[in-house]
Amino acid sequence: DIVMTQSPLSLSVTPGEPASISCRSSQNLLHRNGHNYLDWFLQKPGQSPQLLIYLGSNRASGVPDRFSGSGSGTDFTLKISRVEAEDVGVYFCMQALETPRTFGQGTKVDVK
Amino acid sequence: QVRLVQSGAEVRKPGASVKVSCKASGYSFNDYYVQWVRQAPGQGPEWMGIINPNVGSTIYAQKFQGRITLTRDTSASTVYMELGSLRSEDTAVYYCARRTPVVLDITYHYMDIWGKGTTVTVSS
Repeated sequence: DIVMTQSPLSLSVTPGEPASISCRSSQNLLHRNGHNYLDWFLQKPGQSPQLLIYLGSNRASGVPDRFSGSGSGTDFTLKISRVEAEDVGVYFCMQALETPRTFGQGTKVDVK
Repeated sequence: QVRLVQSGAEVRKPGASVKVSCKASGYSFNDYYVQWVRQAPGQGPEWMGIINPNVGSTIYAQKFQGRITLTRDTSASTVYMELGSLRSEDTAVYYCARRTPVVLDITYHYMDIWGKGTTVTVSS
């Protein structure tokens, strides 16, 4: 199975400041079609995961443009340009190239 | 409104089995695969399997092969996840999630609609 590794595991951010989360995969997630099969989810406290980013850099419907995804191959980054209080929760990356889908261990983000 | 509504919390003893339901509404049930993902306390999510509600075909993660069964009832727009030979490590929140296609230059599938989760506790 593809192993997904996130860093840092926790992050405390001042509102209005940027935040960045790294995700590395044990295998290349760049499909021969030119797309990276990597999604990002946010799990707010007490809620189910919600899709933020798909194919590495495409924002899902309704996701604010302060969220952006980048990277290719085995190294990916989720950036929040200006963190807001509602962004607290645990962020997960997930590879969608192979079955079984596998997730990172999560990065907990809280606001100072 | 597109929704997946899951059944309530369950408590089982080791060695028993549990069956969790996931009822779809607000969309055409047969047109979207449903995946199951579980999350143990303090852990990242873990993908378990997927079912095509139209024909009932399934794919399971190797880790759960022999213990998991996904089924569906098209008349009730409901999919079921049954996990047997339960052990304490199976204590987790179990989620169903819809697999939705998005058409770009390719057709990609993501998990955009999730149920609220069903807590399964395995304890003697």
